[in-house]
Amino acid sequence: DIQMTQSPSSLSASVGDRVTITCRASQSVSSWLAWHQQKPGKAPKLLIYKASSLESGVPSRFSGSGSGTEFTLTITSLQPDDFATYYCHHYGTFSRAFGQGTKVEI
Amino acid sequence: EVQLVESGGGLVQPGESLRLSCAASGFNFRSHQMSWVRQAPGKGLEWVANINYGGSEGSYVDSVKGRFTISRDNTKNSLFLQMSSLRAEDTAVYYCARDWDGSGRSLDYWGQGTLVTVSS
Repeated sequence: DIQMTQSPSSLSASVGDRVTITCRASQSVSSWLAWHQQKPGKAPKLLIYKASSLESGVPSRFSGSGSGTEFTLTITSLQPDDFATYYCHHYGTFSRAFGQGTKVEI
Repeated sequence: EVQLVESGGGLVQPGESLRLSCAASGFNFRSHQMSWVRQAPGKGLEWVANINYGGSEGSYVDSVKGRFTISRDNTKNSLFLQMSSLRAEDTAVYYCARDWDGSGRSLDYWGQGTLVTVSS
């Protein structure tokens, strides 16, 4: 099974900062990689799919890049609403797998 | 508007069974694969199971294989998760999520979740 590893597991940032989160796959997943945002007590929300495609309605300060085994989620100019936990998610033909999450805190 | 509403969660004892349901609306249900994802208290997301469009094939995380069965009823726009031989480590919020439709997206809409607690 493919394992997804995110780093860091948590980070402290300020409003206006540029934030980068990395996700590594244990083997190539091509571009079948998504990013989700989750706030406490809420369901996750899709931000990015197919590694770099921005989901409709998601602010353009969010971007994704990468392919194969290494991916990044970048938030330019962090906003107060962005403090949350972020998960990468691989989707394959017969399985899915999440990274362990990255908590973005003030 | 896409809506996914889970039900069926509750408190059960170890070894017992439980059936979760997810009522879908606002989209062409039979055109999407569907998944269940769970989140143990204070922990991260864990994909549990996925089912293909027609319901003929399910895939599972290793930890639930042989104990959980995913199914769907496309005539009623409903998704199910039959859970048996439940263990304490199955305690989690279980989310129903809309999955692949060929557009490149996966898990693009989620329900609000239903809590399953396995405890004696």
